[in-house]
Amino acid sequence: GESVGLHLPTLSVQEGDNSIINCAYSNSASDYFIWYKQESGKGPQFIIDIRSNMDKRQGQRVTVLLNKTVKHLSLQIAATQPGDSAVYFCAETWGSQGNLIFGKGTKLSVKP
Amino acid sequence: NAGVMQNPRHLVRRRGQEARLRCSPMKGHSHVYWYRQLPEEGLKFMVYLQKENIIDESGMPKERFSAEFPKEGPSILRIQQVVRGDSAAYFCASSPNRVDQQYFGPGTRLTVL
Repeated sequence: GESVGLHLPTLSVQEGDNSIINCAYSNSASDYFIWYKQESGKGPQFIIDIRSNMDKRQGQRVTVLLNKTVKHLSLQIAATQPGDSAVYFCAETWGSQGNLIFGKGTKLSVKP
Repeated sequence: NAGVMQNPRHLVRRRGQEARLRCSPMKGHSHVYWYRQLPEEGLKFMVYLQKENIIDESGMPKERFSAEFPKEGPSILRIQQVVRGDSAAYFCASSPNRVDQQYFGPGTRLTVL
């Protein structure tokens, strides 16, 4: 069936380095993608989103890249900080269906 | 502007009891979504409601689970005759419309003994 998955379940980086978290999606009809950050014991927190008519979108220290040809989504975090340590989820949806399809998540660990 | 609120934050029930989870969406949001998260896994969609209407309940088990979003008051996710497999974190999200960003609450952690 349709699913959203992540290439790496865990990622460990040094403080100050850049982090890249990847996500593969299988539904070619998906037209809206969101990255969420979830800290332990908390709900998902919106980071950045992108619609299918764009290839790249930048926020504060974060960039999302969308490659529709290979159905790949990535989240780049610049100058990673200890506060960035969390589990990161990509999610997709399409049309006006409303509900989000989440991947399993990548745990980002930042070493001081 | 207060965010999405959920209560209780933690709920313990014995097998066979009922669990009621409440969600108050952000002000101005009329779309509510419920998701379930098992440990070490992503969120799984359960049900999508818009004031007084269930729009999509394709992710919700047919038995024992029900949801409502009345004209007044919070959205309620109700689980009857809970079993140990119902133990999970239940998250509610809200949005101003069905194609916009969803904002999540802090979740209710249900433990079934």
